[in-house]
Amino acid sequence: AQSVAQPEDQVNVAEGNPLTVKCTYSVSGNPYLFWYVQYPNRGLQFLLKYITGDNLVKGSYGFEAEFNKSQTSFHLKKPSALVSDSALYFCAVRGPTGANNLFFGTGTRLTVIP
Amino acid sequence: DADVTQTPRNRITKTGKRIMLECSQTKGHDRMYWYRQDPGLGLRLIYYSFDVKDINKGEISDGYSVSRQAQAKFSLSLESAIPNQTALYFCATSDSRGATTKLFFGSGTQLSVL
Repeated sequence: AQSVAQPEDQVNVAEGNPLTVKCTYSVSGNPYLFWYVQYPNRGLQFLLKYITGDNLVKGSYGFEAEFNKSQTSFHLKKPSALVSDSALYFCAVRGPTGANNLFFGTGTRLTVIP
Repeated sequence: DADVTQTPRNRITKTGKRIMLECSQTKGHDRMYWYRQDPGLGLRLIYYSFDVKDINKGEISDGYSVSRQAQAKFSLSLESAIPNQTALYFCATSDSRGATTKLFFGSGTQLSVL
């Protein structure tokens, strides 16, 4: 079964510091991994995806994610956090081969402190 | 204008009432989904539809039904609402012609069942 885990409910970081939001995955077959962000009173927005290729994936708003097969991780990163990055972040994995739905993690609330 | 529109934005109802949440999209996507979001649980898939004649149950379909009236419209019904269906509900779309499962979300419907 496909699943992702986000071990941290809350991450706090000072503005200007690097940030990391953690995600680990469990899949059968090749992983298709995603990060989404949810701002208050909004739906989820796509940030980036990993399908194949380079282990470092670049996405929207300066975010990137590092795919690590040996550690089954897909951590979201940004070199310098902004207050406007404060939001709820979800890691997701695509369903089994032939399906087209996503399984989401429980979410991590990121707070960037001015 | 929003590409994925959900109505209503907020709804309060009583136990035992029938309620319908509606979703329409102008993205021209063939696939549509209903998720619910609960604090600490992330998003869970209720139903999904790959085209007008293709409806599939998700992880938590009990107590819900759906109707795909047209490619652009996908409604979710609670036949007899109960308090534990209080949640934030999201509609999403995706394009099967795309190489990956990139979902586009509506702004959500906050449902409270008293």
